Amino acid sequence: EPEVTQTPSHQVTQMGQEVILRCVPISNHLYFYWYRQILGQKVEFLVSFYNNEISEKSEIFDDQFSVERPDGSNFTLKIRSTKLEDSAMYFCASSDGQGARGEQFFGPGTRLTVL
Amino acid sequence: AQTVTQSQPEMSVQEAETVTLSCTYDTSESDYYLFWYKQPPSRQMILVIRQEAYKQQNATENRFSVNFQKAAKSFSLKISDSQLGDAAMYFCALYSGNTPLVFGKGTRLSVIA
Repeated sequence: EPEVTQTPSHQVTQMGQEVILRCVPISNHLYFYWYRQILGQKVEFLVSFYNNEISEKSEIFDDQFSVERPDGSNFTLKIRSTKLEDSAMYFCASSDGQGARGEQFFGPGTRLTVL
Repeated sequence: AQTVTQSQPEMSVQEAETVTLSCTYDTSESDYYLFWYKQPPSRQMILVIRQEAYKQQNATENRFSVNFQKAAKSFSLKISDSQLGDAAMYFCALYSGNTPLVFGKGTRLSVIA
């Protein structure tokens, strides 16, 4: 069964460093998402991506964040200068359609720890 | 704005018994979907069940079923014959219009052997 994969599973970085979180969505999916979950809190939407551009972003997704689909398979989230409060679980998701009919499949997440 | 409220931070159930997790939501959209996601200790998000708002029939998936009360904007999850592997965080989520998924704060379910 196809699945969304994410690497690394755990990333530890120093404050101020850049990190890139990688996701490989399901191959025939067209819509891609990043979500964040700070420990003990709910999952929060960061950004959605379609047709090689951001379709929507939340207020969390400030200038420190960027997303890219560098090739036909990867979808990346870059944090330019990490802060302590960026420590969280980051989930990538993909779907084959927009709207409620496009069920979002989640990856296993990347745990980001900023020291 | 869409909101999802889960009023039970924690619940527990005896193995083989039935438990119901509550969720209420708010949206001005007429076309929307509701979901329950399970997050085990591995923290992966696993879709448990989904409900289309236009369908009156409650969704069921094996031991999991929902009680969807559209007028009351309520969407509870019932787990029958609870198993130890059901222990996890459960998140209720709403998708309406073209907005991204909105999640509740979650309910931590413990299953007692």
